[in-house]
Amino acid sequence: EAGVTQFPSHSVIEKGQTVTLRCDPISGHDNLYWYRRVMGKEIKFLLHFVKESKQDESGMPNNRFLAERTGGTYSTLKVQPAELEDSGVYFCASSQTGSRSSYNEQFFGPGTRLTVL
Amino acid sequence: GQQLNQSPQSMFIQEGEDVSMNCTSSSIFNTWLWYKQDPGEGPVLLIALYKAGELTSNGRLTAQFGITRKDSFLNISASIPSDVGIYFCAGRNTGNQFYFGTGTSLTVIP
Repeated sequence: EAGVTQFPSHSVIEKGQTVTLRCDPISGHDNLYWYRRVMGKEIKFLLHFVKESKQDESGMPNNRFLAERTGGTYSTLKVQPAELEDSGVYFCASSQTGSRSSYNEQFFGPGTRLTVL
Repeated sequence: GQQLNQSPQSMFIQEGEDVSMNCTSSSIFNTWLWYKQDPGEGPVLLIALYKAGELTSNGRLTAQFGITRKDSFLNISASIPSDVGIYFCAGRNTGNQFYFGTGTSLTVIP
């Protein structure tokens, strides 16, 4: 079974540019999460999809961030325009619905390292 | 939002030594989770705890859900070189939101 994949693995852009990150969750996982980790700090929750619906987007920093999950499969996270403080590693994770253990067991992708210059 | 205080921030130990790390929160959680991140990869779930006072083991790893529901610890016994990585605690609150700690970077010296 393929794991969670993320693209690209690295992205270096200039302030003011636009970047789109992609996440492909494990097939059949209804829950999809986006997180961000700034170096040395906590992994911070951004938002949670259940299928194609945004269940919780309370962690999105501001309206420069837009996440979509059309069709309830893969998801994209667009940052427009990017600012210096957006730099960090963006993780995507997915989990099944159903049992308590399946809900809590989030499978993480390898992350996208974003550097804004 | 809720914050998890994870300590220590980093550890340098000799192979064979035991390791202990912990997380505390100002708010209660319904679930405590411990993850390990290897370089270049995403975090992988090690242990999940669902009940206050619960003590769970996974091989050389042991974790406990604190009685107050505001803390958890992870112990690693007889460390080996492949234990190297960053360990994160995480908690799920009553609103089904997940919060992660800042991580403990573990280095094992052969």
